[in-house]
Amino acid sequence: EADIYQTPRYLVIGTGKKITLECSQTMGHDKMYWYQQDPGMELHLIHYSYGVNSTEKGDLSSESTVSRIRTEHFPLTLESARPSHTSQYLCATKKQGGKTEAFFGQGTRLTVV
Amino acid sequence: SQQGEEDPQALSIQEGENATMNCSYKTSINNLQWYRQNSGRGLVHLILIRSNEREKHSGRLRVTLDTSKKSSSLLITASRAADTASYFCATVNQGGSEKLVFGKGTKLTVNP
Repeated sequence: EADIYQTPRYLVIGTGKKITLECSQTMGHDKMYWYQQDPGMELHLIHYSYGVNSTEKGDLSSESTVSRIRTEHFPLTLESARPSHTSQYLCATKKQGGKTEAFFGQGTRLTVV
Repeated sequence: SQQGEEDPQALSIQEGENATMNCSYKTSINNLQWYRQNSGRGLVHLILIRSNEREKHSGRLRVTLDTSKKSSSLLITASRAADTASYFCATVNQGGSEKLVFGKGTKLTVNP
């Protein structure tokens, strides 16, 4: 069983608020990913990290930012939330190496009102 | 658009039938993976096929990979109602960053 945790599971917040979505893993994986997914739709890669202090933007432009100060944590921050940010955010980890699978958290469903 | 375009977008079958989903991608890959997602929750890994492999089996799952056509297929045999879910293919690019990119997914409904 993969040990990857996302908090909160659900978040309803007002426009203009700053939010941080947490993603933590206990597997020591180097690779971590953030995806944005609207209901019934595809996953869009918005950020990924291949190790401490190494982050890259994904294929979908996002106003969010990430940090990777420790291997275990990969938080995602929105400085000023807007209704257009309403979505589900999924975090994943992967051990380094071409033959390895990704493990997903349960996601954070964000609603900005 | 992104890699890993699945086809069809939705598939509805009866229990006991086979379900086939296809995936196409655009760039060179290290491997291709299939995942399952229930009701918008986190994805679960099903099977991985490396770029130098052509076919792989795992239980009722069969995956093929054609790198010349940049396509893959997932076959679920003898489907069950519990197989109802969305299925996504994902590609891992060549190179050290191991960027993992998903396609749009196929929503499979297996009717009892």
